[in-house]
Amino acid sequence: QKEVEQDPGPLSVPEGAIVSLNCTYSNSAFQYFMWYRQYSRKGPELLMYTYSSGNKEDGRFTAQVDKSSKYISLFIRDSQPSDSATYLCAMSDANAGKSTFGDGTTLTVKP
Amino acid sequence: DVKVTQSSRYLVKRTGEKVFLECVQDMDHENMFWYRQDPGLGLRLIYFSYDVKMKEKGDIPEGYSVSREKKERFSLILESASTNQTSMYLCASSPLRLAGDHTDTQYFGPGTRLTVL
Repeated sequence: QKEVEQDPGPLSVPEGAIVSLNCTYSNSAFQYFMWYRQYSRKGPELLMYTYSSGNKEDGRFTAQVDKSSKYISLFIRDSQPSDSATYLCAMSDANAGKSTFGDGTTLTVKP
Repeated sequence: DVKVTQSSRYLVKRTGEKVFLECVQDMDHENMFWYRQDPGLGLRLIYFSYDVKMKEKGDIPEGYSVSREKKERFSLILESASTNQTSMYLCASSPLRLAGDHTDTQYFGPGTRLTVL
């Protein structure tokens, strides 16, 4: 079983929809939680990060971490065609300098 | 802005050839990583390095080696390329995480799409 499982997708939604992207994990030592966005033929770029539990909001994006359930989510409000990309969750523990990535969810937002 | 550059965007090689993929970062980061990305398999870590001349195996090191002679440069070597090494290769770097840091951000290059015929 993988340490990090991500909803596989692909996901296709109309413009303006609310999108929920989700990952579960098994390693209770994870403390750092990141979401990366990867456009086609580009490298991933950090979108948001959250430390330990809680919510974090940045414009139309909200990252949520529930450590008791070992579950993280990324919500996108008022989705736009420019949000069409692959979204990768990533997480790491206090000691490792490396992250464990989910496999990614490909999102298409249709105008 | 952090910049991670990779030597080629597209590369075509023959089976059995020795292949060098170069990665350079300009932000004095301690950590550097090599991944391959395949549809349905996500990002898989090949090797990483915490410091010059140091390397550690990732999840799929077989068939690969690495070299880090200078802090800013991390090279991935395919000693004898095979068709199952056809993939997108991504290099990344990250700074040493300090007390009080709340993220473990990695900065990725644009990727090299390698085809082995």
